Amino acid sequence: GENVEQHPSTLSVQEGDSAVIKCTYSDSASNYFPWYKQELGKRPQLIIDIRSNVGEKKDQRIAVTLNKTAKHFSLHITETQPEDSAVYFCAASKGSNYKLTFGKGTLLTVNP
Amino acid sequence: GAVVSQHPSRVICKSGTSVKIECRSLDFQATTMFWYRQFPKQSLMLMATSNEGSKATYEQGVEKDKFLINHASLTLSTLTVTSAHPEDSSFYICSASLPPGDTQYFGPGTRLTVL
Repeated sequence: GENVEQHPSTLSVQEGDSAVIKCTYSDSASNYFPWYKQELGKRPQLIIDIRSNVGEKKDQRIAVTLNKTAKHFSLHITETQPEDSAVYFCAASKGSNYKLTFGKGTLLTVNP
Repeated sequence: GAVVSQHPSRVICKSGTSVKIECRSLDFQATTMFWYRQFPKQSLMLMATSNEGSKATYEQGVEKDKFLINHASLTLSTLTVTSAHPEDSSFYICSASLPPGDTQYFGPGTRLTVL
């Protein structure tokens, strides 16, 4: 089955700096890669996703890149703010109505 | 749009009792819903995939007779934890796929504490 590795497990940055979280996946059939943000005790919230026919996607301060050859995708957050502090999860799926396999998460702390 | 609700948000029960958790898609019909369990400071672990009108598909190591899943309509799936024990205490979260595709939206979760 699919295996998703996520690094780093913790990341601390100063407000205004950029943060990068990286994931790799094992199943070349995976074609959908979402990123979720989860605050303590709350539900995971979808912040951005990318599909395998696209190499990069951007939404304001958040961007995701995908390298299908290397089976690698990354989350980039620019101009970080304290409210960006949370646990971020990457995931991979084979598509419609298919299960998500999650990475182990990255605890991002943005220091004011 | 794409709102998923879950009820109850918290439940405390005695060991040996059964607990039912409901997951509803409020503004869309979901042919597929998913049930996850999350222990403190850990990732989400898929328990089962729930398809409307058919039996759920359970992940390896998840006891189907202990975690009963019913997906009776396109907007409701239920998870029943039978004969709950303290080790079943966890955060249970459902998600639903927004048709026609692959995006999953999560419910707010249910914190189960078994005494």
